[in-house]
Amino acid sequence: DQQVKQNSPSLSVQEGRISILNCDYTNSMFDYFLWYKKYPAEGPTFLISISSIKDKNEDGRFTVFLNKSAKHLSLHIVPSQPGDSAVYFCAASAYYTGTASKLTFGTGTRLQVTL
Amino acid sequence: EPEVTQTPSHQVTQMGQEVILHCVPISNHLYFYWYRQILGQKVEFLVSFYNNEISEKSEIFDDQFSVERPDGSNFTLKIRSTKLEDSAMYFCASSPGIPGEQYFGPGTRLTVT
Repeated sequence: DQQVKQNSPSLSVQEGRISILNCDYTNSMFDYFLWYKKYPAEGPTFLISISSIKDKNEDGRFTVFLNKSAKHLSLHIVPSQPGDSAVYFCAASAYYTGTASKLTFGTGTRLQVTL
Repeated sequence: EPEVTQTPSHQVTQMGQEVILHCVPISNHLYFYWYRQILGQKVEFLVSFYNNEISEKSEIFDDQFSVERPDGSNFTLKIRSTKLEDSAMYFCASSPGIPGEQYFGPGTRLTVT
């Protein structure tokens, strides 16, 4: 059951450059998409989300792009910093009012930002 | 900044024993969740809880699992008879109801021997 897929297990980027992390999904019922950052031995930390009615959402150095027709989203980090080195998880949710909608996670991409 | 807390950080138990994992969600959040991550695998949904009852549960969440919100602040996950394959990081999360946004605790590492 791979409803959310992150095909790149790892990515290495130089400090100051752009990091682009990709995610694909198969379930058309998903209408909210999120990115989480995770350090070892810690819980996932919410970074940014996007609703399916939008195609872009920006928050500081982080921008998420959504291409609904391709069922694809990406996270751009500009400029990348060494502190961004972590595992990034894409997650998706099908939201129903008044219910506790679960998150379906991808397998994660380990980002390494080098000096 | 408010955060989700979980205790203990690490629990070691023998196969067949009962364990209770504890979580204190962010106050005024309405939706509560348990997820787990087996080493090297992705984070998997276990159960969600809203309005004092289970909202949804995954196929992993069988009769050996139960959740409770015994008072206004705690949210617990009980595993009645642990198996070796229950060894994982267990994450609690809570949400204020903003679609999709869930805030995770630091996790409890459960080791079943």
